[in-house]
Amino acid sequence: EDQVTQSPEALRLQEGESSSLNCSYTVSGLRGLFWYRQDPGKGPEFLFTLYSAGEEKEKERLKATLTKKESFLHITAPKPEDSATYLCATWGGGGADGLTFGKGTHLIIQP
Amino acid sequence: KAGVTQTPRYLIKTRGQQVTLSCSPISGHRSVSWYQQTPGQGLQFLFEYFSETQRNKGNFPGRFSGRQFSNSRSEMNVSTLELGDSALYLCASRLGLSGTGELFFGEGSRLTVL
Repeated sequence: EDQVTQSPEALRLQEGESSSLNCSYTVSGLRGLFWYRQDPGKGPEFLFTLYSAGEEKEKERLKATLTKKESFLHITAPKPEDSATYLCATWGGGGADGLTFGKGTHLIIQP
Repeated sequence: KAGVTQTPRYLIKTRGQQVTLSCSPISGHRSVSWYQQTPGQGLQFLFEYFSETQRNKGNFPGRFSGRQFSNSRSEMNVSTLELGDSALYLCASRLGLSGTGELFFGEGSRLTVL
């Protein structure tokens, strides 16, 4: 059974204070790893897809990286508008069972 | 380009009733998936439809069912509602079963069961 574990559960940072969110996974036959952002009362918003170890993707202040066992979402000089829950999800096992999501990291950026 | 549209956004039901939720995918997307999101369990996969056929199913009881129409719009139904069915139900679409796998979510239907 695929498993995705995110840490920390919650993180409070000062504006401009860089940090990283972790996503550890156990998946047979990883086909893709996804990062989503979810704001309160909204559906998840797609951020990145990573397919193979060593791959990196960037978007504004966010950078996602992937190894064979985990992924990191690095946030550089965050702003209050980056406050959200960040979700990691894996697509594996032939894609037969949908995406497997972690429970997310609730990020708060204080001005 | 319009995103995934879900209706209704909010609804309140009582135990034992049934509910039907609707989802219109992004234009051109033929695959529709449904997920349940609760504070305790997070997002959990319910099922996926493609070309009006259920292709994949998560670990939920038979009270949860769905269907897809020829225009790719989808509905999910929950019968004999239980208190534990209170959740945010999210619909997501993608182009097809193969490819990159990226899902695009709607804003969800929040169901409260009293």
